[in-house]
Amino acid sequence: GESVGLHLPTLSVQEGDNSIINCAYSNSASDYFIWYKQESGKGPQFIIDIRSNMDKRQGQRVTVLLNKTVKHLSLQIAATQPGDSAVYFCAENLGDSWGKLQFGAGTQVVVTP
Amino acid sequence: DAGITQSPRHKVTETGTPVTLRCHQTENHRYMYWYRQDPGHGLRLIHYSYGVKDTDKGEVSDGYSVSRSKTEDFLLTLESATSSQTSVYFCAIGGLAGVGNEQFFGPGTRLTVL
Repeated sequence: GESVGLHLPTLSVQEGDNSIINCAYSNSASDYFIWYKQESGKGPQFIIDIRSNMDKRQGQRVTVLLNKTVKHLSLQIAATQPGDSAVYFCAENLGDSWGKLQFGAGTQVVVTP
Repeated sequence: DAGITQSPRHKVTETGTPVTLRCHQTENHRYMYWYRQDPGHGLRLIHYSYGVKDTDKGEVSDGYSVSRSKTEDFLLTLESATSSQTSVYFCAIGGLAGVGNEQFFGPGTRLTVL
């Protein structure tokens, strides 16, 4: 079936730089997307979400961009900090099944000093 | 962890034995979910519940059953554990209708089946 995927499995970023994590989705019926952060040994933590009627949404130091034309989702982290080191997952809700999220495989972000 | 606890946090068992994992929430959410997480995979949905005694299958439900007799508790049972069920299991609770579909996750249970 269609699934959510990621372009880069590992992303190394220097502290203070901006990070961009990408996600491709293939289901045009998806109407809701979420980014999660997972630190080692912990459960995923909600970062930010966006609905399909939006192109951009900003949070604290994070921005999610949605390009429905090419079915692409990205998470931008400003001024990356050591505490941002984690695995980041995108997830999509298919629209026909409330609450049933489909997750990507994840991207490991490593912040170097 | 948004008022979600999981027990046990770690368990080692043998093939063929029954195992029950418990998820407890204090948020009074209607929707609850069980996922498994394996290396190289994201989270995969096992079962979910949309109310007391109302449950449905996810994409990897074979070999698992669930029960929800109270709003706050969602149990995941492996009737006869197999080595392929060695994984980290996460419980999640759903967002409020109209607010968003974000799910909040518990701390996880690491299960090893020998």
